[in-house]
Amino acid sequence: TQLLEQSPQFLSIQEGENLTVYCNSSSVFSSLQWYRQEPGEGPVLLVTVVTCGEVKKLKRLTFQFGDARKDSSLHITAAQPGDTGLYLCAGAPSNTGKLIFGQGTTLQVKP
Amino acid sequence: KAGVTQTPRYLIKTRGQQVTLSCSPISGHRSVSWYQQTPGQGLQFLFEYFSETQRNKGNFPGRFSGRQFSNSRSEMNVSTLELGDSALYLCASSLAGKGAGELFFGEGSRLTVL
Repeated sequence: TQLLEQSPQFLSIQEGENLTVYCNSSSVFSSLQWYRQEPGEGPVLLVTVVTCGEVKKLKRLTFQFGDARKDSSLHITAAQPGDTGLYLCAGAPSNTGKLIFGQGTTLQVKP
Repeated sequence: KAGVTQTPRYLIKTRGQQVTLSCSPISGHRSVSWYQQTPGQGLQFLFEYFSETQRNKGNFPGRFSGRQFSNSRSEMNVSTLELGDSALYLCASSLAGKGAGELFFGEGSRLTVL
């Protein structure tokens, strides 16, 4: 059973389209992180969201932390081929010290 | 500054053999975590070491073990390899040593078990 459920698992879109990736859990997290992984490389941290309802923007990427601290979303505006990769959400459940990951969303942006 | 270095990058083993993977964290980072990544299961947490002590452990059998040295370098060992152990093994280091801190990943060691 995945503690962090991501949807969709796969997404193939055209350049210029918008998209949203969701990360949901039945557990409460003190914070959630988003990573991006490109082929042949390890994941790289994009952002950490900490406050209930927090919205963070990173150029064309917008991240939101849910009010109940159980979910987060990543919205990409006007996707570009360079956004192609595996997007992973991650969090440390409140009573543990280990960072766990969702299964990831594979995004392909076609020119 | 140098990133996380994992060796070897690729290796092929046969069932029943054992393997040792190495990870050198970013200088000054004392926490090292290991993950197994497969297409079906995604990133699964193996264990975390901090100051030479295993601080957290995932749900993997005892065939998977690790250790950390005084210079923070870490190794993980898998004994009696099974076909299902084929995966990308990722090592990550962090400065804070806490579960929610930023992890810096290496490029991984890709293990193929035949």
